[in-house]
Amino acid sequence: GENVEQHPSTLSVQEGDSAVIKCTYSDSASNYFPWYKQELGKGPQLIIDIRSNVGEKKDQRIAVTLNKTAKHFSLHITETQPEDSAVYFCAAMGNYQLIWGAGTKLIIKP
Amino acid sequence: EAQVTQNPRYLITVTGKKLTVTCSQNMNHEYMSWYRQDPGLGLRQIYYSMNVEVTDKGDVPEGYKVSRKEKRNFPLILESPSPNQTSLYFCASSLSLEDTQYFGPGTRLTVL
Repeated sequence: GENVEQHPSTLSVQEGDSAVIKCTYSDSASNYFPWYKQELGKGPQLIIDIRSNVGEKKDQRIAVTLNKTAKHFSLHITETQPEDSAVYFCAAMGNYQLIWGAGTKLIIKP
Repeated sequence: EAQVTQNPRYLITVTGKKLTVTCSQNMNHEYMSWYRQDPGLGLRQIYYSMNVEVTDKGDVPEGYKVSRKEKRNFPLILESPSPNQTSLYFCASSLSLEDTQYFGPGTRLTVL
């Protein structure tokens, strides 16, 4: 079945700098890759997703890239702000279910 | 307001005492699921449901039961809770499998 690995587990960046979180997956048949943001005390919330027929998708300061050959996808956040501090999860669609990465705690330093 | 609600939000119980965590959504979503979240392990799916009366096991179904008698409700049942079921639980719903999942606020369960 599908397996998703996410790195790093913790990422600390200076406010205004960029942050990159990477995930790899194992099932070459996976075709849907969402990213969720979880703020303290809340449930995860979708921030961006990408399907296998595109290589990159952008939404303001957030972008996701997908490399199907290498089976990895990445989340890019530019011009980071204090409100970007949260835990970020990647996921890949396996057999009738989403398989989740272990999460990355993003810390924005003032 | 479109939302997923869970009750209770916090629960402390003892080993072996049956409990139910309720989940309800008002978005007419077909797909619902239950996750548990443990430090360093991310979200692991317990059970999911593609539609009314259709449920299936996720990655960690042992010790849990679910039912989907109505579209809006998807309760999680622990028949005989054990301390290793102490965790943060989330219910989620979506239009279909590859659509945005909307999560409830979470239920923090402690089993003594």
